[in-house]
Amino acid sequence: DTGVSQNPRHKITKRGQNVTFRCDPISEHNRLYWYRQTLGQGPEFLTYFQNEAQLEKSRLLSDRFSAERPKGSFSTLEIQRTEQGDSAMYLCASSWGQAHNEQFFGPGTRLTVL
Amino acid sequence: EDQVTQSPEALRLQEGESSSLNCSYTVSGLRGLFWYRQDPGKGPEFLFTLYSAGEEKEKERLKATLTKKESFLHITAPKPEDSATYLCAVQVIFAGNNRKLIWGLGTSLAVNP
Repeated sequence: DTGVSQNPRHKITKRGQNVTFRCDPISEHNRLYWYRQTLGQGPEFLTYFQNEAQLEKSRLLSDRFSAERPKGSFSTLEIQRTEQGDSAMYLCASSWGQAHNEQFFGPGTRLTVL
Repeated sequence: EDQVTQSPEALRLQEGESSSLNCSYTVSGLRGLFWYRQDPGKGPEFLFTLYSAGEEKEKERLKATLTKKESFLHITAPKPEDSATYLCAVQVIFAGNNRKLIWGLGTSLAVNP
């Protein structure tokens, strides 16, 4: 498989629970991005990594959100104490290079917080 | 303030009826404009990158063009399978060599058979 994969594809959780999502990028890509998208909106940037270093994190991102990419390969996004407003599609993308070159997206994880 | 605006928000075409989608931007330090296609419930699919005014890229029924203020995605003789949301994103440089991507809200295209 040469594409970006994300797991799980769907997650339903109760308010206050913690959730963790995983993203496996295209193997030779050094950059990995996390976005959030709600219906009718474009992707909202959350954070990105170059190799294992987290280079930027959105100022809009609550401290309940944390992301890791420990070995510069796969990444995890954790949301603690979920709220109903966290319900969205969480997208992961990867790219190659030192700039924001064309990104290849995974299928997304749809989170529903009840 | 850097801004990317896509128009129209929604477009309905008959099969074979050619049209264009617009992505206008007011940014400083443009370093690339990207077009993506997104089907419902899926991640965006990369289509084109344009870097300089006058540049054009083509893929099947799609052709993307770039000027200093906007980009057009021309769809020639569309088919129902072209129905999707088309997203535009602009890469800009700021504060030295820092870069960021600014996304538009997309144009939702429906092609009727």
